[in-house]
Amino acid sequence: GAVVSQHPSWVICKSGTSVKIECRSLDFQATTMFWYRQFPKQSLMLMATSNEGSKATYEQGVEKDKFLINHASLTLSTLTVTSAHPEDSSFYICSAIKAATRSRETQYFGPGTRLLVL
Amino acid sequence: AQSVTQLDSHVSVSEGTPVLLRCNYSSSYSPSLFWYVQHPNKGLQLLLKYTSAATLVKGINGFEAEFKKSETSFHLTKPSAHMSDAAEYFCVVSDGYGGATNKLIFGTGTLLAVQP
Repeated sequence: GAVVSQHPSWVICKSGTSVKIECRSLDFQATTMFWYRQFPKQSLMLMATSNEGSKATYEQGVEKDKFLINHASLTLSTLTVTSAHPEDSSFYICSAIKAATRSRETQYFGPGTRLLVL
Repeated sequence: AQSVTQLDSHVSVSEGTPVLLRCNYSSSYSPSLFWYVQHPNKGLQLLLKYTSAATLVKGINGFEAEFKKSETSFHLTKPSAHMSDAAEYFCVVSDGYGGATNKLIFGTGTLLAVQP
């Protein structure tokens, strides 16, 4: 159990367009999901924490108006990259923790979405 | 601030030989440490975690890691590599006390290649 999926697995878009990435917990409920970004040969960096039914919490330096996060249900969080630019090209990974789990240390990760902005 | 350093970006071993993936950590207190593995097109999977209990931690698929405070290390080992072990491995430290607000801090990853 504890499977997380992401859709799409990869996407190419034109500069200036918006792209939506979905993160779903398939066999458990997740009140909290996380969005990470990974540039080539670099670490995964936490972008934001997505809480079901409330506003996301963004890490320092992450533009909340550019990276819109919606966590409308206990199994789905979406990340929308608005007005994407080539520098937004990256590998976006989500993770989720099971509802009623207090610790954030046990996270279940999705397979990632590779975004290329032309 | 907590951080981890993975000393090798690539490691190549022959099937059946031992695996050693190195990780050093920096933490101002007793850390929680993890190793994750990522196979192509799959989500990161937890291999093992250390949370201040036994210093030698056994994980899945025959992997283990030893927490050495004196060396600030948490190296991942396996006695005999299998072809299916080829993947990217991440050393991770938690920046909190295991509670509801801590974050996971990732290393840059080590790509393990296993030669037949």
